[in-house]
Amino acid sequence: EIVLTQSPGTLSLSPGERATLSCRASQSVSSYLAWYQQKPGQAPRLLIYDASNRATGIPARFSGSGSGTDFTLTISSLEPEDFAVYYCQQRSNWPPYTFGQGTELEIK
Amino acid sequence: EVQLVESGGGLVQPGGSLRLSCAASGFTFSTYWMNWVRQAPGMRLEWVANIKEDGSQERYVDSVKGRFTISRDNAKNSLYLQMNSLRVEDTAVYYCAKGTSRGAGIFEYWGQGTVVTVSS
Repeated sequence: EIVLTQSPGTLSLSPGERATLSCRASQSVSSYLAWYQQKPGQAPRLLIYDASNRATGIPARFSGSGSGTDFTLTISSLEPEDFAVYYCQQRSNWPPYTFGQGTELEIK
Repeated sequence: EVQLVESGGGLVQPGGSLRLSCAASGFTFSTYWMNWVRQAPGMRLEWVANIKEDGSQERYVDSVKGRFTISRDNAKNSLYLQMNSLRVEDTAVYYCAKGTSRGAGIFEYWGQGTVVTVSS
């Protein structure tokens, strides 16, 4: 089973700042990595799939990069609605698909 | 508009059973893999099971193999999860999630979730 480790656990930033979230896989997942956003009491929302492709309707301030074992989600300029928990997920080696433990992006 | 609406959650004793349902609309249900994903309180998301478009293949996470069964009824645009021999550690919000044409493991749309609590 592929283990995904996200860092940092919590990221404290202000609106307008740039956010950089990391996800590291225990073995290569090629580019088969996705990012999701989850707000309290809500279902996750797909942001990025296959490392760098934005999902339908996702603003351009969200971007993804990386391949192999190291991936990054970047939010270029934080909006108030971006403060949430972010999860990475791999689909390279399954079953099972696996998720990271999450990064909480909080308002500083 | 894609909609996924789960139902069937509730409180059940350890060893009991529940059947979750997911009603799908807004897309051609019979042409996509479908998934169940769960989230225990304060924990990360965990993929539980998925099923191929025509129901011919099913996959499960090891912790539910032999206890849970995923199924679908394409005529009713519905996905199911039969959960038997439930354990305390199965307590979670259960989401159904739609795959994509690029692959079953991209969870493009999610339902709002249904809560399953296993407790005596």
